[in-house]
Amino acid sequence: AQSVAQPEDQVNVAEGNPLTVKCTYSVSGNPYLFWYVQYPNRGLQFLLKYITGDNLVKGSYGFEAEFNKSQTSFHLKKPSALVSDSALYFCAVFGGGADGLTFGKGTHLIIQP
Amino acid sequence: NAGVTQTPKFQVLKTGQSMTLQCAQDMNHEYMSWYRQDPGMGLRLIHYSVGAGITDQGEVPNGYNVSRSTTEDFPLRLLSAAPSQTSVYFCASSESQGSYNSPLHFGNGTRLTVT
Repeated sequence: AQSVAQPEDQVNVAEGNPLTVKCTYSVSGNPYLFWYVQYPNRGLQFLLKYITGDNLVKGSYGFEAEFNKSQTSFHLKKPSALVSDSALYFCAVFGGGADGLTFGKGTHLIIQP
Repeated sequence: NAGVTQTPKFQVLKTGQSMTLQCAQDMNHEYMSWYRQDPGMGLRLIHYSVGAGITDQGEVPNGYNVSRSTTEDFPLRLLSAAPSQTSVYFCASSESQGSYNSPLHFGNGTRLTVT
């Protein structure tokens, strides 16, 4: 079975500082990895994905994520945080087969002015 | 282009009542799915469909039924509501489920309370 772990329920960062939201995964095959963001009272929005190729993936709103196969991680990063980045972030993995897409429990990102 | 539209936005049911949550998409997506979101548990897949006339169960299907008579619509039916079904429900669609190259497009959710 595939699984995703987001070890931090909440991450606090000062505006202008770099941010990292952590994600580790477990699949039996090659992983397809995704990050989604959820703003209050809205559905999830796609940020970026890793399918194959370069380990550093760039996505929407200046976010990027680094795929590390040896550490089975896919951490979300941004060089300079904005207050408007405050939201709930979900990591998701698909490892093939009938399990579909598995989401992590989410990490609240709070950017302080 | 409205994307994924869910109705209603809010609903309160009494235990034992039935209802249908509506989901429609105008992107001609083959894949549609229903998730429930509960605090501290992320999103869990209820049912999904890879095309009209085809549905399958996800992680937490008990107490829910779905059908897919058209590409556009994918309603979720609660047969006999229970307090454990209090949750926020999201419908999502994508161009293709098989390759997973296509991201999911989500509706804005239905907040359901069962008393």
